[in-house]
Amino acid sequence: GAVVSQHPSRVICKSGTSVKIECRSLDFQATTMFWYRQFPKQSLMLMATSNEGSKATYEQGVEKDKFLINHASLTLSTLTVTSAHPEDSSFYICSARGGDGQGFSPLHFGNGTRLTVT
Amino acid sequence: LAKTTQPISMDSYEGQEVNITCSHNNIATNDYITWYQQFPSQGPRFIIQGYKTKVTNEVASLFIPADRKSSTLSLPRVSLSDTAVYYCLVGAIFTGTASKLTFGTGTRLQVTL
Repeated sequence: GAVVSQHPSRVICKSGTSVKIECRSLDFQATTMFWYRQFPKQSLMLMATSNEGSKATYEQGVEKDKFLINHASLTLSTLTVTSAHPEDSSFYICSARGGDGQGFSPLHFGNGTRLTVT
Repeated sequence: LAKTTQPISMDSYEGQEVNITCSHNNIATNDYITWYQQFPSQGPRFIIQGYKTKVTNEVASLFIPADRKSSTLSLPRVSLSDTAVYYCLVGAIFTGTASKLTFGTGTRLQVTL
């Protein structure tokens, strides 16, 4: 089945630094990927839609200059948390739809990245 | 986007059948219903997906009534390892561009001996 790989699985960084998270579709091409954030004991919250070759679409309340998304190829999207602060500490999860929505293709999720900002 | 409503939590004993119902009163004609399972510190895992009537795979069944305003995920003979959060999502699939999916609160299933 479709596999989405996310790296790193966990990262600890100091306040003020930037962190990049990679999301790869391993066995299919994905022109669209989605980035979610999840706080402890809460549901996943959609942050943005990553579009290959064009700008990402951000959900209301998500700062596009804070969370930079780059989708340079059909198999890779990156999320960069810039000037991270402790309140950015969270579980970040990416997903992609196999076949990019053309047909009966469910979303497949990466295993998430635990970001801790100290 | 269709909003979903699920019970916050459910408890079950090992070996029992568990049915989790999700309400989605505003589901659109081209919306599909998808269920995911999530363990702590992991990404959601696809369980089953359907449009109407009944769908069955090796791990679960999905029942969807004719009006499609609700759906029920059925897990036969649960085990301790089925303890997880289960999410019901509704969204269009047969569209020209991939559609985003919004997660509801999910149902936290606790299975005990």
